[in-house]
Amino acid sequence: GAGVSQSPRYKVTKRGQDVALRCDPISGHVSLYWYRQALGQGPEFLTYFNYEAQQDKSGLPNDRFSAERPEGSISTLTIQRTEQRDSAMYRCASSLGASGPQETQYFGPGTRLLVL
Amino acid sequence: GNSVTQMEGPVTLSEEAFLTINCTYTATGYPSLFWYVQYPGEGLQLLLKATKADDKGSNKGFEATYRKETTSFHLEKGSVQVSDSAVYFCALSDNGGFKTIFGAGTRLFVKA
Repeated sequence: GAGVSQSPRYKVTKRGQDVALRCDPISGHVSLYWYRQALGQGPEFLTYFNYEAQQDKSGLPNDRFSAERPEGSISTLTIQRTEQRDSAMYRCASSLGASGPQETQYFGPGTRLLVL
Repeated sequence: GNSVTQMEGPVTLSEEAFLTINCTYTATGYPSLFWYVQYPGEGLQLLLKATKADDKGSNKGFEATYRKETTSFHLEKGSVQVSDSAVYFCALSDNGGFKTIFGAGTRLFVKA
């Protein structure tokens, strides 16, 4: 079956512009995670959804970052007024249940964001 | 706070060599521990996991044992193949929350 998909795969934007990154999880998966991964580092947790409920957003670095999952499926991570330090790979992952991160997470290919 | 430290790479081995990638962690309580692998051009995928002390996770010839006394979860494989070339991430999850904490990753190159 289809895995987690993300779009766009690459995004180049100018400083100050807003960007929206999309994640389409595996069908039926309850949990959805967003991560940010800097070059040469491991993924860093941003936020977690249980269906449409955003249950943890403690990893969002500041109020320019927001995420939603309005119908409990597709999710959008929005970065407003982008800055060069926002350049990174943004990864989405989903898991079947809602038992927490000890469940297997399935990762998408990521969106590489470059802010000029 | 919780953290994961893994050995720096790159690690370069010849085919059929023994592999060890060290991972230690700092955590309160009893986290679950994971190894994820990222093959070139692909997303991360779970390699193995262990959810309690002394558990051994294994998959594709890789093994790791959850050692609470040494707060370690070292990854081992007896005989690596060229196809094992990838980046390996050690990670932990706080069983009371939603976060997974990843190490910085260790790149493995296996030469034929």
